[in-house]
Amino acid sequence: NAGVTQTPKFQVLKTGQSMTLQCAQDMNHEYMSWYRQDPGMGLRLIHYSVGAGITDQGEVPNGYNVSRSTTEDFPLRLLSAAPSQTSVYFCASGRDSSVNQPQHFGDGTRLSIL
Amino acid sequence: QQQVKQSPQSLIVQKGGISIINCAYENTAFDYFPWYQQFPGKGPALLIAIRPDVSEKKEGRFTISFNKSAKQFSLHIMDSQPGDSATYFCAASGDGNQFYFGTGTSLTVIP
Repeated sequence: NAGVTQTPKFQVLKTGQSMTLQCAQDMNHEYMSWYRQDPGMGLRLIHYSVGAGITDQGEVPNGYNVSRSTTEDFPLRLLSAAPSQTSVYFCASGRDSSVNQPQHFGDGTRLSIL
Repeated sequence: QQQVKQSPQSLIVQKGGISIINCAYENTAFDYFPWYQQFPGKGPALLIAIRPDVSEKKEGRFTISFNKSAKQFSLHIMDSQPGDSATYFCAASGDGNQFYFGTGTSLTVIP
């Protein structure tokens, strides 16, 4: 059971470049979410999805796009990378008996924007 | 504006001691409060969670205490072990979809 898989693990971009961070889960979870983790700021929600075809913005959505065409995949797109987007990005999925929640996290993508 | 305030930023505890991490919130719409454990180079892992209809929840050596009137909740790690050394995050949610995290507490348990 792979859980939540994120690729790539590391990436360096130049300002203005675009890229897609991949996230896949094999637990048939409807709820998936993306967070960024910055020193001293904890994790901040970027976007989330409660099922295929349904996405919504989180706390810090600017500069990021998402789509959810299947239950398994939830890619995060940076349209025009900026140095302020240098961070560690985590994807999470989950569903317990009473609430959607980030139960299982991937190991993160460490992204540097030069 | 930080929706959930967490303290202390770092904590050093002797093996066998009790580790206590505190969180506070203002938004009375929050009704679900999970805690996460994160090891270096890994993603967070859900530890334990509580709803405000109970004042305490215990799972093994981990206990959440909840004070609804004070809008505070805390994580107690009993009989702390070196393997508990990690960063701990509290979080809160009001709609079950958007989660707000504290800034984290780095716990070191000294053998």
